[in-house]
Formats: sequence, C-alpha cells, structure tokens
Amino acid sequence: EVQLVESGGGLVQSGGSLRLACVAAGFSFSNTDMHWVRHTPAKGLEWVSGIGSSGDRYYSASVEGRFTILRENAENSLFLQMNSLRVEDTGTYYCLTGRDGFDCWGQGALVTVSS
Amino acid sequence: QSPLTQPPTASGTPGQRVTISCSGSDSNIGSDFVYWYQHLPGTAPKLLITTDSRRPSGVPDRFSGSKSGTSASLVISGLRSEDEADYYCATWDISLRSHVFGSGTSVIVL
Repeated sequence: EVQLVESGGGLVQSGGSLRLACVAAGFSFSNTDMHWVRHTPAKGLEWVSGIGSSGDRYYSASVEGRFTILRENAENSLFLQMNSLRVEDTGTYYCLTGRDGFDCWGQGALVTVSS
Repeated sequence: QSPLTQPPTASGTPGQRVTISCSGSDSNIGSDFVYWYQHLPGTAPKLLITTDSRRPSGVPDRFSGSKSGTSASLVISGLRSEDEADYYCATWDISLRSHVFGSGTSVIVL
C-alpha cells in the first residue's frame, strides 16, 4: 500500500525556521518525483515545491529563496526546510506524488507562524 | 493571485447538474493537461479527474471533465450531499515553471 507520513509541523514565530519530513512506503521512492503542496486559509491549495528523481528542484515564487526541498533516497524520505517563515505561510503542508496528477497525498502537517 | 480563475461558489439541489469553470491562458491550460481535485475539510485532497477528462479508478462517473483552448470544466451530474466540498483545477504553467492550482470553488448542496 502506498503511504506518505508527514511530521515536523508546529508553532513558530515569524522569521523562524521549521523542517518538515515525509516518509514514503509502498513504491519505488528513488524513481519518483515528489512534491509539497500547502492549504492556506487565504489561497486554498498552493503548490510549494517539487523535486525530481534526478534531484532537480522547483519552487513557487512565494517560497523561492526561503524554502529548500531535499530527498534522502536511502531513507525513503522527503524534507522541506523552511526558513524566514511568514504569517502567510501558515497552513497544512502535504507531501505528495503521482504520475498523471497527484494521486497520493499524506495526511498533512500543520504549520502555524505567529507574529 | 492564481493564474487559474474559478468561481468562488457553485450550488445545486440533490440530483441537479453543477458545472465549475476554470479559466487560464496559453501558458498553462493551453499548454498542458488539466487535473481536478476534491478537498473536504480536515482530509487530504483527492484526485478526481486526470489528463483533462479521465477518471481515476474509484471516482464515480457523475464526475466528468473537459477542456477547450485555455478553459476547462468539471461537471457533477446527479449532485449528492457528500459532494459538498471545495474543488480545484490544476495544471503546469510553462511561464512560471511551476504547478498551479485554481482559486478553488466551494460546492454547496442546497
């Protein structure tokens, strides 16, 4: 069974940092593109970042320069290092993947950034 | 501000047909496939429609998708109370070099 489990969410002050982790199971992680998508009250669903199986990385304009996506294939793990956090980054962050669309999502990790 | 525009709300009574539009441009909908997601509060979003109009296994056939030019549509035929949720279109934008989601449409079953 394909499974994605996020961890690392929490409460942080504006300007602070947080690192999300996602452990994958049930598929060939090293051969799969992975993504982070967040749901915020203001914007709804928003694609945040993606990393290809070869390691190429992509970011949305709203997080470029502040967030870094990483993968550790030996541990079937995906990470999102979030620095210089802003109040508007508050939301639920999902780890996900899929070939024709995003058809496998984690349960989400709640990130709250206080002012 | 999302490059994909959706109406904020759509509504209907049980059994009715509801259509949700998604308007984009040549750099997104006009250049790549469109996907549709259903999002119920407190749960992970679910892929409803893939590659413009195909339903993944397990998605009821009352959900259908189409695309023409730089616009796409999701139709819910035979609306049910459990269809009350937020719906998002999504695609790849070649100018932004990023995946983009629509602004989202809340479907209300009256």
